[in-house]
Amino acid sequence: NAGVTQTPKFQVLKTGQSMTLQCAQDMNHEYMSWYRQDPGMGLRLIHYSVGAGITDQGEVPNGYNVSRSTTEDFPLRLLSAAPSQTSVYFCASSLQGPAPAFFGQGTRLTVV
Amino acid sequence: SQQGEEDPQALSIQEGENATMNCSYKTSINNLQWYRQNSGRGLVHLILIRSNEREKHSGRLRVTLDTSKKSSSLLITASRAADTASYFCATHNNAGNMLTFGGGTRLMVKP
Repeated sequence: NAGVTQTPKFQVLKTGQSMTLQCAQDMNHEYMSWYRQDPGMGLRLIHYSVGAGITDQGEVPNGYNVSRSTTEDFPLRLLSAAPSQTSVYFCASSLQGPAPAFFGQGTRLTVV
Repeated sequence: SQQGEEDPQALSIQEGENATMNCSYKTSINNLQWYRQNSGRGLVHLILIRSNEREKHSGRLRVTLDTSKKSSSLLITASRAADTASYFCATHNNAGNMLTFGGGTRLMVKP
């Protein structure tokens, strides 16, 4: 099993550009989520999904979109990148409900 | 805002010593978990304790939960250099489907 796979690992964007961070899991988990982690801080929840076709906002959803068309995939879209979105992004999945969560290795995003 | 707050923010100990980290939270919870993050890596789940449990063990880890004080502690016994990492508590509250993380404790274990 690959677990939770995030791509890309690193990305540099210019202000105003859009992009999609990919997340896939092969554990047949119903719950998936996206977090951002800023230097020296814990994780903040951006969006989450309790199953295919269902998504909801977390603590910091502005500037991000998600969709969940399959159980396996949960992409995160940045609509118009801003320097404030410079962060490390983590995708996580769990069988049912948010815990215990299995995390991907992260995507380090820099917006210049 | 973050539900959990860890204390201390940083901890430095010698190999073989015990490390204790504390977590406080604000609202009623379904369960509380502890995660480890090695530098530049994703988080790894360590242990989950439910709101009706008071203590749980897993190998060298011991977690306690006091719901009356809204606090938890993580004890790592006989620490090793490989335990050097950041440790986060996370709470799953009764109100919804979200996991809320604290700011973490950075643990350094010196050989």
